[in-house]
Parts: sequence; structure tokens; C-alpha cells
Amino acid sequence: DIQMTQSPSTLSASVGDRVTFTCRASQSIRSWLAWYQQKPGKAPKLLIYEASNLESGVPSRFSGSGSGTEFTLTISSLQPDDSATYYCQQYDSSSPTFGQGTKVEIK
Amino acid sequence: EVQLVESGGGLVQPGGSLRLSCAASGFTFSDYSMNWVRQAPGKGLEWVSYISSGSSTIYYADSVKGRFTISRDNAKNSLYLQMNSLRAEDTAVYFCARDSGRVGYNYNYWGQGTLVTVSS
Repeated sequence: DIQMTQSPSTLSASVGDRVTFTCRASQSIRSWLAWYQQKPGKAPKLLIYEASNLESGVPSRFSGSGSGTEFTLTISSLQPDDSATYYCQQYDSSSPTFGQGTKVEIK
Repeated sequence: EVQLVESGGGLVQPGGSLRLSCAASGFTFSDYSMNWVRQAPGKGLEWVSYISSGSSTIYYADSVKGRFTISRDNAKNSLYLQMNSLRAEDTAVYFCARDSGRVGYNYNYWGQGTLVTVSS
């Protein structure tokens, strides 16, 4: 299986900050990467697909980039509602795998 | 409005069986591939199984292969997961998730999840 590694595990930032976190794949996944946001007790929500495409209805402060093995999710101006855990997911193979998550805390 | 509602979770002993259901509404169920994704308490997400819109293609994670069976009934707008030979490590919230319909396996609608606890 393709392993996905996210960093950092936890990120603490202030409202208005620009925050970026990383997802690395154990082998090339081209651009077949999605990002999800999950709040406690809730289902994940799709934010980004195909590495850089914003899902409908998702605020434009979220953006994704990367290809191959290294990807980033950026929040251009952190909002209180962005406190959540963010997961990347590769879907280059028929056995999709998720990263372990980055928890974003608001200072 | 798209809705996915899981049911069938509960407490089961190791070695036991359980059948999860996911009732879909608000979209043409037979047009979309579906998945089960699970999350152990306090842990990350793990994809479990995939079924294509017409049930012709099915995939499983290695961790459940041979023990779990995914199926669907397009006439009833329902997705199922038959879980046999359950182990403690199968304890998790199980989500059904709809493929986005775009190329590849990403999920733009999820249910609220149903908790499966495997314990004696």
C-alpha cells in the first residue's frame, strides 16, 4: 500500500495567520490527492480534490498544491471555524490510504 | 439534499458478525460508486471497501479481506457491509461515503457514522 505521511501532527496558530501543512506519499501518486477536514464527532468534509481543485462550497482561503510525492494544504487566513483535523488521502491506487492527520488549533 | 444514514452498529463479541446498512437519498444512488471508511476511537481514517455503481467492481482493504463483504441494492437505495469474524481491532465508527463522480476515489458525501464495538 502507498503510505501517506502528514506533518506536523499538531499546529497552533492565530486567527488571520497563513498556515501550511504537508503530506508526503511513499511513491508517486501523480495528482491523485484529496484533503478533508474533520471536526470532533463529525464526518470528514472534502475540501480539495486532484491536489489543487477546490470542492464546491469550500471557502477560497483553502488551497492545495503539489504533485508526485509532496503536497501542501494552505489556509490563507486562519479562521476560528478552521479548528479541526485535516487528512490527506491518496487515490492513485484501488486501495486508497489516508495520512494520520494534522490537528489545527487556534491560539 | 444528499443524505446517507448508517445503521446496524453495536456491541459484538470477538468472532461475531454484524451487518451495517447505509440508506441513501437525495441523489440517483445507482449512478454512484460507494465506500465504507472507518475510524477507530481517537485514530485516523481507514478506507475499508469500495463497490461500483452496478456492483461489478469491488475492492477491500487487506485488513478486512476475506471477512467483510460489501454489497448494494440499487432498488432500495441501500449499501451494506457484512462483517464476519470480528476482531477487537475492528472497533471503530463506520462511515458510508459516496464517490464524487469525478475521476478517482474521493468522497464528497458522508454519513454520520455508526459505532461498532468488538469486545467480550
